Amino acid sequence: GIQVEQSPPDLILQEGANSTLRCNFSDSVNNLQWFHQNPWGQLINLFYIPSGTKQNGRLSATTVATERYSLLYISSSQTTDSGVYFCAVAGSGAGSYQLTFGKGTKLSVIP
Amino acid sequence: GAVVSQHPSRVICKSGTSVKIECRSLDFQATTMFWYRQFPKKSLMLMATSNEGSKATYEQGVEKDKFLINHASLTLSTLTVTSAHPEDSSFYICSARDYRESSGYTFGSGTRLTVV
Repeated sequence: GIQVEQSPPDLILQEGANSTLRCNFSDSVNNLQWFHQNPWGQLINLFYIPSGTKQNGRLSATTVATERYSLLYISSSQTTDSGVYFCAVAGSGAGSYQLTFGKGTKLSVIP
Repeated sequence: GAVVSQHPSRVICKSGTSVKIECRSLDFQATTMFWYRQFPKKSLMLMATSNEGSKATYEQGVEKDKFLINHASLTLSTLTVTSAHPEDSSFYICSARDYRESSGYTFGSGTRLTVV
């Protein structure tokens, strides 16, 4: 099956700093999503971005499908950004529509 | 946007009993839903694909007799953990997709199961 690698595994930021999270995947995809898991376990869908660039407030994401990676940018980080960020993909092969998750990046934003 | 409702959010049960978790798609129909399991400080692992009107498809290593899945309607899938044991304690989360929207999969709020 498709492999998903996220980096870095852990990240500590001072409030106000910017960061870039990376997701590499091993095969062509027809679905890529970035999620933020809050302390209560809820997975918040940040972006549906199988290709291209999107922005939502302080967050933006870019997926370069031909090079098999995606980046999540967080600008002017806030303590509420803390949590685990997951990248999840679905391959483009037949019957491969279910999401495979990376191991996540644990972000801690300190005041 | 699409909303997936999952209940209960937290349940504690005794060893040997069964627990049922519900996953509902609100305002959209889902012929397919997915069930994931997450261990503490770990990623989400797909357990099974729930198919409306037919048998679920289980991932390798997941006991289908332990984790019973029923998808009897286009808006409801249930996961029953049968004869639960402490090692079944985990966070279970479901997902579905509203194909009318270009937003990908939506996840329920999850169920934290503790077996004592």
